[in-house]
Parts: sequence; C-alpha cells; structure tokens
Amino acid sequence: AQSVTQLDSQVPVFEEAPVELRCNYSSSVSVYLFWYVQYPNQGLQLLLKYLSGSTLVKGINGFEAEFNKSQTSFHLRKPSVHISDTAEYFCAVSDLTSGTYKYIFGTGTRLKVLA
Amino acid sequence: EAGVAQSPRYKIIEKRQSVAFWCNPISGHATLYWYQQILGQGPKLLIQFQNNGVVDDSQLPKDRFSAERLKGVDSTLKIQPAKLEDSAVYLCASSYGTSGGARETQYFGPGTRLLVL
Repeated sequence: AQSVTQLDSQVPVFEEAPVELRCNYSSSVSVYLFWYVQYPNQGLQLLLKYLSGSTLVKGINGFEAEFNKSQTSFHLRKPSVHISDTAEYFCAVSDLTSGTYKYIFGTGTRLKVLA
Repeated sequence: EAGVAQSPRYKIIEKRQSVAFWCNPISGHATLYWYQQILGQGPKLLIQFQNNGVVDDSQLPKDRFSAERLKGVDSTLKIQPAKLEDSAVYLCASSYGTSGGARETQYFGPGTRLLVL
C-alpha cells in the first residue's frame, strides 16, 4: 500500500546552517514525488517535484531533493537556511493504485529557523 | 493570475449543525480537490473532480459529507450534521490538466478553518 513517512515532526536549525528534511515512501509501482511548503495561515505551495529523469531535482527558494529508488527516499535539502524558511514542509507521493492516481501526503515537518 | 479562492476563512459551529464551504479554482483548471487537514497531520484527500465529474471520493464520509462542482467551475463542500472530529482545515486545490493530478502541480487555496464545539 502507498504511504509516506516523515520521521521528523520538528527540525530546529540556526540561520545560514544547512538542513535536510527526510521523506520515505512505500509503493510497489513507479511514483511521482513532491515537496510542498505551508506558511502560517496559508495554503500549500509546491517547492519541487520528481517525475522522471535526473534524480536530483532543484526547486524554488534554493531547495533541492534527491530521489533514491533503492532507499525509497526523497529527502529535501538546503545548504543555507533563512529565517523566512520557517514553515511546515510536506512530502507527497502519487502513484497508480487500482487504476486511479492517488495523491498521499506525509504528516509534515515543522522547520524552525533560529537567529 | 488569481489564485484559488475559498470562503469563509473561519467557521465555528456546534455539533449536529450543518456547514458549507465554497471554492473557486484558478480559471481554466479542470481538476479540483478537497482536502481535510487535521491538526498535526498532512492533508487527506476527500474528493477529486475532473470538470464536473467525480474522479475519486473513496475517503469522503458520505453519510455526512457531500460536494458538488456545478458547471465544472466552483465547488461547495457540505457537512451535515457536523461532529467534533470534523474540526480541521479544509483545503481546496486545483490543477490544470485532466491526467488525474498525478504529475501536475496542485495550487492550494488558504483553507477554511472549522471548529466544531
């Protein structure tokens, strides 16, 4: 069955430090993978997505993620974070299940950037 | 380009009352989604429309929830009667194509925060 796991519910990090937010998924078929960001009192906004091709995906605001099929992971990284990156980050997976594409979100990781 | 609009932004009701949420997707977007986001959890898909037809409503509690998308544009989601566990943020999203949303970016509205007392 399709599922998404974000093990870290909260990640505190100092400004200008690097950060990695972890995402693992389970699926028996080809998947599409997404990272969304949610700022307080706002809807979700796409950061980046992996559909096919290069396993290193670059997104907006300096974020990137690497698709690792053998480890079924899609971790999000940024080399140097800013205060404005404080938000909740959701990993999502979409695959073909029972003839219909199912879009499943993880439980989210709250990134807190400290001055 | 205007984003996805939702109203109201906040709603407080008592259990057993009814409530309705409205969503206007981005112009030209064929696919519309309603998600329920309970505090501390990720969004859970309730229903997906493609134009004005239902693609997936497998997680919609049909005994109390209903949704429609007349004319393939805006949509309403209704809860009747509401329960305490329905307290959540209800997010509407839309995407351009008709591929079932698998590969496409979803554009989200700001959500409606519902509190059931």
